[in-house]
Amino acid sequence: DAKTTQPNSMESNEEEPVHLPCNHSTISGTDYIHWYRQLPSQGPEYVIHGLTSNVNNRMASLAIAEDRKSSTLILHRATLRDAAVYYCILRDVTSYDKVIFGPGTSLSVIP
Amino acid sequence: NAGVTQTPKFQVLKTGQSMTLQCAQDMNHEYMSWYRQDPGMGLRLIHYSVGAGITDQGEVPNGYNVSRSTTEDFPLRLLSAAPSQTSVYFCASSYGAGGYTFGSGTRLTVV
Repeated sequence: DAKTTQPNSMESNEEEPVHLPCNHSTISGTDYIHWYRQLPSQGPEYVIHGLTSNVNNRMASLAIAEDRKSSTLILHRATLRDAAVYYCILRDVTSYDKVIFGPGTSLSVIP
Repeated sequence: NAGVTQTPKFQVLKTGQSMTLQCAQDMNHEYMSWYRQDPGMGLRLIHYSVGAGITDQGEVPNGYNVSRSTTEDFPLRLLSAAPSQTSVYFCASSYGAGGYTFGSGTRLTVV
């Protein structure tokens, strides 16, 4: 089973910020938090990942709770091209354990 | 730098036929995996490998074989195709704690 839970769907208005939540209450100290997104009819693509500290890149920001039991992917200004399914997963890099994807959050962006 | 290359992009098989889906990466990634995605569903892990000569089963391994003789290649073999194996297949690779790179997928139809 996936180690993360996410809302099934969310909506956002175009050009507004989007906060996509992910719960991972059983996270271990060596689990990295990864986010991916899948545009319609395409393969998943990497968005961002982090361990403890908040992370920023050109695509998004990742805010990690102090207890690491939850995280939030932040898209600063949603565009129509951001409409996709967003997946939050955990990766234990000490064991290279099998990585299970959950159903993700389907994000709709309203013009 | 081609990333992760999957061939073929499309394939139609008859029930009972066998075939091999090819996956190659040129990034010297030690971790590779195969996922399948049924229409409207999330990704399900079939098999994965943490390095040449090492493979392990994922969530849905039945009906599939893999081998990893080189770091670059991770082929997926369907032994006797069944209609239930109609799906889109994604290969992914990664290095260390870094994000996955996914291929563009193989759309397989079994009739």
